[in-house]
Amino acid sequence: DAMVIQNPRYQVTQFGKPVTLSCSQTLNHNVMYWYQQKSSQAPKLLFHYYDKDFNNEADTPDNFQSRRPNTSFCFLDIRSPGLGDAAMYLCATSRAIAGGPGEQFFGPGTRLTVL
Amino acid sequence: GDSVTQMEGPVTLSEEAFLTINCTYTATGYPSLFWYVQYPGEGLQLLLKATKADDKGSNKGFEATYRKETTSFHLEKGSVQVSDSAVYFCALKQAGTALIFGKGTTLSVSS
Repeated sequence: DAMVIQNPRYQVTQFGKPVTLSCSQTLNHNVMYWYQQKSSQAPKLLFHYYDKDFNNEADTPDNFQSRRPNTSFCFLDIRSPGLGDAAMYLCATSRAIAGGPGEQFFGPGTRLTVL
Repeated sequence: GDSVTQMEGPVTLSEEAFLTINCTYTATGYPSLFWYVQYPGEGLQLLLKATKADDKGSNKGFEATYRKETTSFHLEKGSVQVSDSAVYFCALKQAGTALIFGKGTTLSVSS
């Protein structure tokens, strides 16, 4: 089945130790998104790629960066994780078509713990 | 800017009860509307969607109708099951923009 895959599902890192989360998709969608979701809150968009074009949300901290080496893969890098960065990180994809509904497909998420 | 407002939770129901989760939105233009469901420890799954006024989205016994006159997209189910226990997010999307989510409503169904 076509899907969005996130690895690992659970990640533990230490305060200040860089960490990378990965996302891959077999849907061949041209748009990929990274969301941060803290407990009992709605997902918050961090950034998205429209093909290779990177779009950063205005309030995304500089500590968060992303790479998309090809259509299928996208990475979230947290350069110096703080305790406040502990959250579920969700990857999503969509096919952007003019006038289309922009339906997004989500991966299962990576839960990040910062010690 | 655009926004989505959902009823505060948690919503606690007995099995086979009727469910309504209210959702209203503020948006310019004609957004598409969505309901996503998130089961414990998992990512979001699209439950249903509607792309224009008076459209009814339905899936797994859940329904929601896009009401432009009341700017609403309330989620309903006639008979909930324990397996429906999850967090439900209402969301809207304009062409060329990302999803805007409501804060989510936790549903707990007991047998």
